[in-house]
Amino acid sequence: QSALTQPASVSGSPGQSITISCTGTSSDVGVYNYVSWYQQHPGRAPKLVIFDVTNRPSGLSNRFFGSKSGNTASLTISGLQAEDEADYYCSSYTSSITPLVFGGGTKLTVL
Amino acid sequence: QVQLVQSGAEVKKPGASVRVSCKASGYTFTRYGISWVRQAPGQGLEWMGWISGYNGDTKYAQKFQGRVTMTTDTSTSTSYMDLKSLRSDDTAVYYCAREVVPARPWDFDSWGQGTLVTVSS
Repeated sequence: QSALTQPASVSGSPGQSITISCTGTSSDVGVYNYVSWYQQHPGRAPKLVIFDVTNRPSGLSNRFFGSKSGNTASLTISGLQAEDEADYYCSSYTSSITPLVFGGGTKLTVL
Repeated sequence: QVQLVQSGAEVKKPGASVRVSCKASGYTFTRYGISWVRQAPGQGLEWMGWISGYNGDTKYAQKFQGRVTMTTDTSTSTSYMDLKSLRSDDTAVYYCAREVVPARPWDFDSWGQGTLVTVSS
């Protein structure tokens, strides 16, 4: 069982917006602004899309938006495109003895 | 541009050890640390630990304490991950990844291509 909870799947049509949630606790997401999101296509390495809750890496599309409220972080992708279909993972720094935890991943399907 | 190139796939028997390498280029190796993250088939990501490119300090996930060793060779800008006492559930793709901010190993903007380690008798 992953330390951070994500929905197993979400879906949306091209052009629509979707949001993926990532629920942690007051030991990780709730207290640190060190939440990241990764996109992973099948057979490929993960790619960073959001770090420090809201920051996008240089050159990344502004269709990706990160936010946080309480113990839950969220990734919103607007103007869905076919190429957005992938698995998405959140991660957070944590005060536990193992300082980094991942969510279980969410499969995004573009209908 | 930043590149991390990992060694090739490995097949090991239970109880054996494996070494995976990660050669970095495109940045000053000693400024950034490298983390190792693994992914079992069809499963999610799991952080294994981190090593400083500056002084070799390490931090391992509790789950792997005593079984994993991470080292670096600054002369070749290469990081190594050794995992011993392999079990079948260690079968996974192992990734090296560079941190976004030096000495802050909880987000990664560059990843290696992954190395499949298969543990089977």
